[in-house]
Amino acid sequence: GDSVTQTEGLVTVTEGLPVMLNCTYQTAYSDVAFFWYVQYLNEAPKLLLRSSTDNKRTEHQGFHATLHKSSSSFHLQKSSVQLSDSALYYCALSDRGGYKVVFGSGTRLLVSP
Amino acid sequence: DTTVKQNPRYKLARVGKPVNLICSQTMNHDTMYWYQKKPNQAPKLLLFYYDKILNREADTFEKFQSSRPNNSFCSLYIGSAGLEYSAMYLCASSRRTGGSQNTLYFGAGTRLSVL
Repeated sequence: GDSVTQTEGLVTVTEGLPVMLNCTYQTAYSDVAFFWYVQYLNEAPKLLLRSSTDNKRTEHQGFHATLHKSSSSFHLQKSSVQLSDSALYYCALSDRGGYKVVFGSGTRLLVSP
Repeated sequence: DTTVKQNPRYKLARVGKPVNLICSQTMNHDTMYWYQKKPNQAPKLLLFYYDKILNREADTFEKFQSSRPNNSFCSLYIGSAGLEYSAMYLCASSRRTGGSQNTLYFGAGTRLSVL
């Protein structure tokens, strides 16, 4: 079946430094959408960005991700993190013709002063 | 502005007793989902409604029930809670058509503790 792997459970970064959160996947579908969701403390998860186009950079709120089908990856990056970026980040995929959205286990980003 | 609402935010249940969780959305989305989230695990899809059609995942088929009396409302029902049901339950909605299909809009979740 489809799966999403986020290898880091916790990433700690100093404010102002860059960060990359890893996401790799396995899927048998050819028409797939990829997502990053962010969940701040005591809030609902919400969409950060989505993409379905290979090798196209997608940006939102200073974060960016590029889908690379050749390496089955959709890593999330930011060039300079802020304290307010501390949150739980989920990578997910969905068959665009279906209903099911498959999530990774999440990476908690902790930004320190 | 939270447009997917879940009640209650916290729920305490006794082993063997029923549990009913409630979710509502105001976006007229055709699909509503229930996910179970345990610490350090991925959110696990339990079931979803597309319009009035219920789809339950094979491995949780007998453990969870649901109802959707109207487009805005969806419940999750556990007939007899066990300790393994302790988790965060996330409700989400989406629409099947348009450019943002399968983008999920989540509620803040209900944390269920079974004692």
